[in-house]
Amino acid sequence: SQKIEQNSEALNIQEGKTATLTCNYTNYSPAYLQWYRQDPGRGPVFLLLIRENEKEKRKERLKVTFDTTLKQSLFHITASQPADSATYLCALLTGGGNKLTFGTGTQLKVEL
Amino acid sequence: EPEVTQTPSHQVTQMGQEVILRCVPISNHLYFYWYRQILGQKVEFLVSFYNNEISEKSEIFDDQFSVERPDGSNFTLKIRSTKLEDSAMYFCASGTRATVRDTQYFGPGTRLTVL
Repeated sequence: SQKIEQNSEALNIQEGKTATLTCNYTNYSPAYLQWYRQDPGRGPVFLLLIRENEKEKRKERLKVTFDTTLKQSLFHITASQPADSATYLCALLTGGGNKLTFGTGTQLKVEL
Repeated sequence: EPEVTQTPSHQVTQMGQEVILRCVPISNHLYFYWYRQILGQKVEFLVSFYNNEISEKSEIFDDQFSVERPDGSNFTLKIRSTKLEDSAMYFCASGTRATVRDTQYFGPGTRLTVL
């Protein structure tokens, strides 16, 4: 069956450190993978998109890697800040190319 | 910056009642979506809508659900006879294109509580 898996356990890190979140998928062949941020009681907010032929994508303090052989994406936040505390979702475009299928998300907490 | 808006922010209803959740997508967007998130679970796709018709729907989107774009600005989700298990956050999203090269912009959500 198709699955998108993210660490269900919360990730706690110290301010200034790099946070690394993992997204693994099975039985998909996505051309694109996206990362979203979700704050409690709010809708997802788009962060980054990476294509299957891209190994790495950066945006300010964010970096995403995409390994289609391992079927894995890593999401990094460098120099993390308490304001980065949120749930981070990975999502694949699936089906007829018209819907996002989300992972369960990983909650990140950045402590002072 | 333009954003997707949703009303109401919280809707409480009795089981078996009809509810209509409203969304105003970003004005130049052509593709519209509804997703839902049951408390503590992942965001799930319900339906996508383009050119006044449904382009794709999930297994969740059964005959109890319908969507409509009644005018040039609103996009609604109707649940005809609510069940307890319909309690969730419902998110509307919009985009300029169907492909993932174009981002989907999500609204703040409507929390639906079915008693």
